[in-house]
Amino acid sequence: DGGITQSPKYLFRKEGQNVTLSCEQNLNHDAMYWYRQDPGQGLRLIYYSQIVNDFQKGDIAEGYSVSREKKESFPLTVTSAQKNPTAFYLCASSMSRLATADTQYFGPGTRLTVL
Amino acid sequence: GENVEQHPSTLSVQEGDSAVIKCTYSDSASNYFPWYKQELGKGPQLIIDIRSNVGEKKDQRIAVTLNKTAKHFSLHITETQPEDSAVYFCAAPGYYGGSQGNLIFGKGTKLSVKP
Repeated sequence: DGGITQSPKYLFRKEGQNVTLSCEQNLNHDAMYWYRQDPGQGLRLIYYSQIVNDFQKGDIAEGYSVSREKKESFPLTVTSAQKNPTAFYLCASSMSRLATADTQYFGPGTRLTVL
Repeated sequence: GENVEQHPSTLSVQEGDSAVIKCTYSDSASNYFPWYKQELGKGPQLIIDIRSNVGEKKDQRIAVTLNKTAKHFSLHITETQPEDSAVYFCAAPGYYGGSQGNLIFGKGTKLSVKP
């Protein structure tokens, strides 16, 4: 089965704790993305990576960090500096890292709740 | 940068009726326009997309039209069924770090199809 997997599906965190969300893809895609989704806000880009060992900030990167050590993996860490981390987090990937937009394929999401 | 506006935010139709969702974009250089369907608690799924070299694309009950002059594109769903009930997102390319490889999403339309 090809696709994007995210784990865990639900995650609970105490205030002040860092937490890491997993995203793995076996589509051999170059580019990967992290989005945050809040009710009525649509999808907002946190970070993206177009190639291994390189990543760029999106619109709302503050309080988040990422790494891209392997082509198939793009974990997101939500740090204690993120003021309002409770949200639905979506990972996506696309084939091309070229200059034109390409179809993005999404994982099933992780719902993070801060207690 | 690109700005994508989506209307309406909610849409309720009777089963069998048609539904139309419209998006406008600001960057005349944009050339790729996907539509995603998101069911509750799941990641968005691509349902149809269009590139700027065509004006219309159909896939069974779903169609997308593009008006480059007016900078808007629309999703048309005919013969709606209860399983079409979901949130629909439009998107257009956004520039980050000099690359057009990312997508800017509209805020979504919640479609309800009443039996």
